[in-house]
Amino acid sequence: AQSVTQPDIHITVSEGASLELRCNYSYGATPYLFWYVQSPGQGLQLLLKYFSGDTLVQGIKGFEAEFKRSQSSFNLRKPSVHWSDAAEYFCAVGPRAGTALIFGKGTTLSVSS
Amino acid sequence: GAGVSQSPSNKVTEKGKDVELRCDPISGHTALYWYRQRLGQGLEFLIYFQGNSAPDKSGLPSDRFSAERTGESVSTLTIQRTQQEDSAVYLCASSRPGYEQYFGPGTRLTVT
Repeated sequence: AQSVTQPDIHITVSEGASLELRCNYSYGATPYLFWYVQSPGQGLQLLLKYFSGDTLVQGIKGFEAEFKRSQSSFNLRKPSVHWSDAAEYFCAVGPRAGTALIFGKGTTLSVSS
Repeated sequence: GAGVSQSPSNKVTEKGKDVELRCDPISGHTALYWYRQRLGQGLEFLIYFQGNSAPDKSGLPSDRFSAERTGESVSTLTIQRTQQEDSAVYLCASSRPGYEQYFGPGTRLTVT
């Protein structure tokens, strides 16, 4: 069955420290991959996407993610976290853009000072 | 331009009542999606409209749930005879064909 797993429910990172949020997927075909961020009381904002090509993709707010086919992973990274990055992060997968997505359960990021 | 808008932002209803949730997609976006987000959970796909094609209803959890879309604009999600387990945030998204989805702020539904 198609699925997305975000192994970490909650992560706390010190401000200025690096961040990596994990995402593993189970999908029969080459997937389209997305990371979204949801701040409290807000809708989801797209951080970045992978459709094809370079496996390291850059997104907004200084985030990047790397698609590793051999590991079925699409981990999100940021070299230096800011307090404003505290939010919930969702990884999602789909057969192509413009179709219904399968979402992970999310990882809540807290940033400590 | 304007983003996806949803109304109401919050809805409290009694068990057994019907509710209607509205979504206005981004102009020019032919695809429209409804998702449900229960507390502490990821998003569950409900229904997907693409242009004039028949909608993909495969995610609707029961026949109490239905959705309509007028052309390539407004969509309404209707939940009949609401149950407490219907309490969730209902998110709408829209996209151009082949492009990423943009989400609205959601409607928080509470069934008492």
